[in-house]
Amino acid sequence: AQKVTQAQTEISVVEKEDVTLDCVYETRDTTYYLFWYKQPPSGELVFLIRRNSFDEQNEISGRYSWNFQKSTSSFNFTITASQVVDSAVYFCALSEPNTGTASKLTFGTGTRLQVTL
Amino acid sequence: DAGVIQSPRHEVTEMGQEVTLRCKPISGHDYLFWYRQTMMRGLELLIYFNNNVPIDDSGMPEDRFSAKMPNASFSTLKIQPSEPRDSAVYFCASSLTASSAEAFFGQGTRLTVV
Repeated sequence: AQKVTQAQTEISVVEKEDVTLDCVYETRDTTYYLFWYKQPPSGELVFLIRRNSFDEQNEISGRYSWNFQKSTSSFNFTITASQVVDSAVYFCALSEPNTGTASKLTFGTGTRLQVTL
Repeated sequence: DAGVIQSPRHEVTEMGQEVTLRCKPISGHDYLFWYRQTMMRGLELLIYFNNNVPIDDSGMPEDRFSAKMPNASFSTLKIQPSEPRDSAVYFCASSLTASSAEAFFGQGTRLTVV
């Protein structure tokens, strides 16, 4: 069975601090996809990034960066110089294999990030 | 494109009533998913369709829940009869056929059963 663990339930930081959100996953499959989604206070789920299991290159998008390490089954998300607008719940998700789609997802329980002035 | 559109955004109903949630996926997307979000269970997949055909409904909690996709641009999730424990946010999502494609979510329907 697949599992995604986000051990940090809630994190509070002051604006401009860097923050890392942890994600650890379990799967027996060799081909899979990992995702991060953001859920702001308005409630919608916003796609942030997709990473496949064969691509361990780190990715940077503006203030966001992701570190994928197969050896530790982790896919961590770092926000550099956090801003109040980053306040949201962040979900890590893992695709279920052999379904023909990457979007049949197992979600973690989410990490609530609070950025204050 | 307007994205995935769900209606209504909020629904309050009395226990025992029938509830129908609606979803319009992104045009051209072949996969449609219904997820439910609760405090206790988090985000969980209820059912998904490919080309309007239900592929996996193993996440549907009970026979009270049913979902249909009569055409490529419309899906419904029905609960009959509704119960207070069905209170949750229900998300619809769609994705392209490509096996690597990410899902795009609607804004969700917040259902409250009293």
